Amino acid sequence: AQRVTQPEKLLSVFKGAPVELKCNYSYSGSPELFWYVQYSRQRLQLLLRHISRESIKGFTADLNKGETSFHLKKPFAQEEDSAMYYCALFSNAGKSTFGDGTTLTVKP
Amino acid sequence: DAGVIQSPRHEVTEMGQEVTLRCKPISGHNSLFWYRQTMMRGLELLIYFNNNVPIDDSGMPEDRFSAKMPNASFSTLKIQPSEPRDSAVYFCASSSGQLSYNEQFFGPGTRLTVL
Repeated sequence: AQRVTQPEKLLSVFKGAPVELKCNYSYSGSPELFWYVQYSRQRLQLLLRHISRESIKGFTADLNKGETSFHLKKPFAQEEDSAMYYCALFSNAGKSTFGDGTTLTVKP
Repeated sequence: DAGVIQSPRHEVTEMGQEVTLRCKPISGHNSLFWYRQTMMRGLELLIYFNNNVPIDDSGMPEDRFSAKMPNASFSTLKIQPSEPRDSAVYFCASSSGQLSYNEQFFGPGTRLTVL
């Protein structure tokens, strides 16, 4: 079985502070991991995927297979980063499992 | 392209009634996913199709739920009979290419309220 855990339902930081959204996964195979974001009144959309090893909007995420983690980080949070963030795991068969989500609030 | 289209956007119905949610994926996409979002359980995958064929329906909560994809441009999710605990936002998403690698594009969701 595959599982994704996001331990924090709510996370609040001040503008300019570093932010880390935690994600741990459980999967017996080689996982494909993603972060999706849902801004207020917008559709859920892809933020970044581990296979691309890219930085989007200043966010990065590193896959740590030893710790089975895929934490999302940004060194300096901005108010426009306030949103709901979902960590997702896709199996080799294409089955997707999303975490419960973390609501990030960046205060001015 | 308007992206993934879902209808209706809002549905209010009474317990026991049949509810049908509709989804039009992005043209050319060959995979389609139905999700349910609630405060308690987050975003849950209900069922997904590849080339119009259901691949995994293990997330469908019970026999009251059924989904079909008669062609590449249309899918339905039906609840019969509906119950108050079915109240949630239902999302449809589509993707192209190899399943595990490609971005899913989500629709706006249908907010279902069962009284």
